[in-house]
Amino acid sequence: EIVMTQSPASLSVSPGERATVSCRASQSVSSNLAWYQQKPGQAPRLLIYGASTRAIGIPGRFSGSGSGTDFTLTISSLQSEDFAVYYCQQYNNWPPALTFGGGTKVEIK
Amino acid sequence: QVQLVQSGAEVKKPGASVKVSCKTSGYTFSNYIISWVRQAPGQGLEWMGWISAHNGNTDYAQKFQGRVTMTTETSTTTAYMELRSLRSDDTAVYYCARFSSAYYFFDYWGRGTLVTVSS
Repeated sequence: EIVMTQSPASLSVSPGERATVSCRASQSVSSNLAWYQQKPGQAPRLLIYGASTRAIGIPGRFSGSGSGTDFTLTISSLQSEDFAVYYCQQYNNWPPALTFGGGTKVEIK
Repeated sequence: QVQLVQSGAEVKKPGASVKVSCKTSGYTFSNYIISWVRQAPGQGLEWMGWISAHNGNTDYAQKFQGRVTMTTETSTTTAYMELRSLRSDDTAVYYCARFSSAYYFFDYWGRGTLVTVSS
């Protein structure tokens, strides 16, 4: 099973500042990497897929990069609505499986 | 618009089974895969498996093999997830989600069903 390791586990950021979340795969996942945002009591929301493509309706301050084993989600200027937990997710073709990272909580500083 | 509407919360005793439904609408049901993801209280997301609404093929996470069954009912565009031999650590919110097999992500999610396992 491919293990996805996110860092840091939590991050304190002031509004308007930049936040960077990392995700590392235990083996290459090519660009089969997505990022989600989850707020309390809500289902996750897709932000980024294919490692770097923003989903429909996602603001330009969210960006993703990386390929292979190392990926990054960057929020360029944090807004109040961005304080949430962020998860990375990989897909593996064979055996078909999917795993999530452990999550990164972005909190208000 | 695409919607995934899940069944209501359940309380079960250890050793029992639970079956959660996910009624879909707003898209061609047979064109997509439905996956199930769970989240224990205060914990992260855990993929359980998926089912093709086209042909009923399933893949289950190794952890749940032998204990989970995912099915679909094309006539009602509904997906189901049954988990057997419930334990207290199965207490979680169970989400259904539509999976894009073209780009490998979940684009629409249900609101989740809380399953509580307690004696």
